[in-house]
Amino acid sequence: NAGVMQNPRHLVRRRGQEARLRCSPMKGHSHVYWYRQLPEEGLKFMVYLQKENIIDESGMPKERFSAEFPKEGPSILRIQQVVRGDSAAYFCASSPTRTTNEKLFFGSGTQLSVL
Amino acid sequence: GQNIDQPTEMTATEGAIVQINCTYQTSGFNGLFWYQQHAGEAPTFLSYNVLDGLEEKGRFSSFLSRSKGYSYLLLKELQMKDSASYLCAVDDTGRRALTFGSGTRLQVQP
Repeated sequence: NAGVMQNPRHLVRRRGQEARLRCSPMKGHSHVYWYRQLPEEGLKFMVYLQKENIIDESGMPKERFSAEFPKEGPSILRIQQVVRGDSAAYFCASSPTRTTNEKLFFGSGTQLSVL
Repeated sequence: GQNIDQPTEMTATEGAIVQINCTYQTSGFNGLFWYQQHAGEAPTFLSYNVLDGLEEKGRFSSFLSRSKGYSYLLLKELQMKDSASYLCAVDDTGRRALTFGSGTRLQVQP
């Protein structure tokens, strides 16, 4: 039973390029969360999605960032025109439902480096 | 809004006991989680508390006081592999996702 799968594990982009981060939730999980983690800091919530719906994007920057979770395929976090400040670890987590006490299962993250 | 505070770093000796504190202020409360994160790896679930009191699970225990907005994670018989960051996270009824503290980096020394 595979866990939450994220790819790529490491992604290097030059300023101005686009970054696409993929997340396949655990089997049977329909709730996906994206978090960003800067060095020596905690996880900062970005967006919460269910299949084909964005439920909460209150943590997403207003520009350049978007996320989707299509009916078929992985969830995608897209960062357009990347800047050095986007360099961080991006973690995806999933859960089967969104009820009280539902713990999150995390992927191993994508380390984005912007040159 | 949410405010979750943890010490930034702690150091302890192999075989000893260490307590990592977490205080929180949230608009609502559905429970508190502790996660462990080794450097460069995914956070992994350790414990969940929603009622006041102590939850024990092997070498790890977690305590919650809702009236004080306070929790701690207790690690006994420390091992070198326990060197990691420990993240406190609150399930706030006003939010759709867990809110994490900045984490406590624990260094276990021989």
